[in-house]
Amino acid sequence: GAVVSQHPSWVICKSGTSVKIECRSLDFQATTMFWYRQFPKQSLMLMATSNEGSKATYEQGVEKDKFLINHASLTLSTLTVTSAHPEDSSFYICSARPLTRTIGGLHYEQYFGPGTRLTVT
Amino acid sequence: GQQVMQIPQYQHVQEGEDFTTYCNSSTTLSNIQWYKQRPGGHPVFLIQLVKSGEVKKQKRLTFQFGEAKKNSSLHITATQTTDVGTYFCAGQGNRDDKIIFGKGTRLHILP
Repeated sequence: GAVVSQHPSWVICKSGTSVKIECRSLDFQATTMFWYRQFPKQSLMLMATSNEGSKATYEQGVEKDKFLINHASLTLSTLTVTSAHPEDSSFYICSARPLTRTIGGLHYEQYFGPGTRLTVT
Repeated sequence: GQQVMQIPQYQHVQEGEDFTTYCNSSTTLSNIQWYKQRPGGHPVFLIQLVKSGEVKKQKRLTFQFGEAKKNSSLHITATQTTDVGTYFCAGQGNRDDKIIFGKGTRLHILP
């Protein structure tokens, strides 16, 4: 249980185009999903917190018009990188926090997707 | 804002030696979580500590949460090659707060 998928797993796009990344919780409902960015050999940097049915909360320094987040349902959140540039190339990872408290009896853990590697040429 | 500091950044140990990584928060935490990320993989949840002074064990891994709920440690006894990876602590202030990750400790095992 507690599986999170991401699609695509990797994508190469040209500078100036937009890329959409999907994050799905496969066997549980998630009130909250998080989007992280990870550069090579570095830690996870929280970009935004996504709550179903409401606007995402962006971290300081993250452009909300560039990184569009839509949390359409309790199992799906999408991140769209608009007008991508080479400096946007990174590993994007989503995580989901379960709605219910029945998974392992824990309330606040997150389950991570496998990540999406974005390369902008 | 809340900061989570983790040391060391890197650790090389001989196989069979012990390993410890430490995590310190600038503020009191409601809970702390530990994750492991294998090279090329994504973070995998290991454990969550909630109570002051809590100690939990998972086979060769021992997790501790400080009395003040501002620091934590992960200790691995008799490391094996399968322990290779980056270990992240992640602290949460209040229950609905975002989770802040430490920079991670990259463990490398020398055969």
